[in-house]
Amino acid sequence: EPEVTQTPSHQVTQMGQEVILRCVPISNHLYFYWYRQILGQKVEFLVSFYNNEISEKSEIFDDQFSVERPDGSNFTLKIRSTKLEDSAMYFCASSPDSVYGYTFGSGTRLTVV
Amino acid sequence: DQQVKQNSPSLSVQEGRISILNCDYTNSMFDYFLWYKKYPAEGPTFLISISSIKDKNEDGRFTVFLNKSAKHLSLHIVPSQPGDSAVYFCAARADAGGTSYGKLTFGQGTILTVHP
Repeated sequence: EPEVTQTPSHQVTQMGQEVILRCVPISNHLYFYWYRQILGQKVEFLVSFYNNEISEKSEIFDDQFSVERPDGSNFTLKIRSTKLEDSAMYFCASSPDSVYGYTFGSGTRLTVV
Repeated sequence: DQQVKQNSPSLSVQEGRISILNCDYTNSMFDYFLWYKKYPAEGPTFLISISSIKDKNEDGRFTVFLNKSAKHLSLHIVPSQPGDSAVYFCAARADAGGTSYGKLTFGQGTILTVHP
């Protein structure tokens, strides 16, 4: 069964450093997403990406965050200057349309120290 | 943001019995609802969904019921198995006049434990 692949599975970074979280969505999917889950809290929407541009973003997704699909297969989330409160599980997801067949990756645990 | 609420943090059920997980929502624009199952260190896995034009959807041991007037949905698992033990999330999509890009709003999750 096709999978959404995320790397690394765990990333530790110092506060103020830039991090890039990587995702390989399912190949024929058109919609791409990032979500995050702070420990003990709900899964929160960050951003959706369609047709090579951001289609929707949450208030969490401020100027410190950016997304890119640099080569038609990878989908990346960059955090420019990490803060302690950015520590969370970050999930990438993709979908062939806007809801059906929505598939999540296993997540990247980001720890900011 | 409390648009989707799962008021029971945990549920414990005996193997073979029914598990009922509940979810309430406040946004009347939600038109599609999904249940996800999540194991530790894994991403959410899709279980079952229901459109707002239906009141029931069944898939094997899993049935989702939707009560639009009460803004309530529930997931029934019958019979429950120890392998069902996981965190269950309710999620919803709001129709944005046909321009939704698929943003999902999640509940807080319910930890289901099925005892042998």
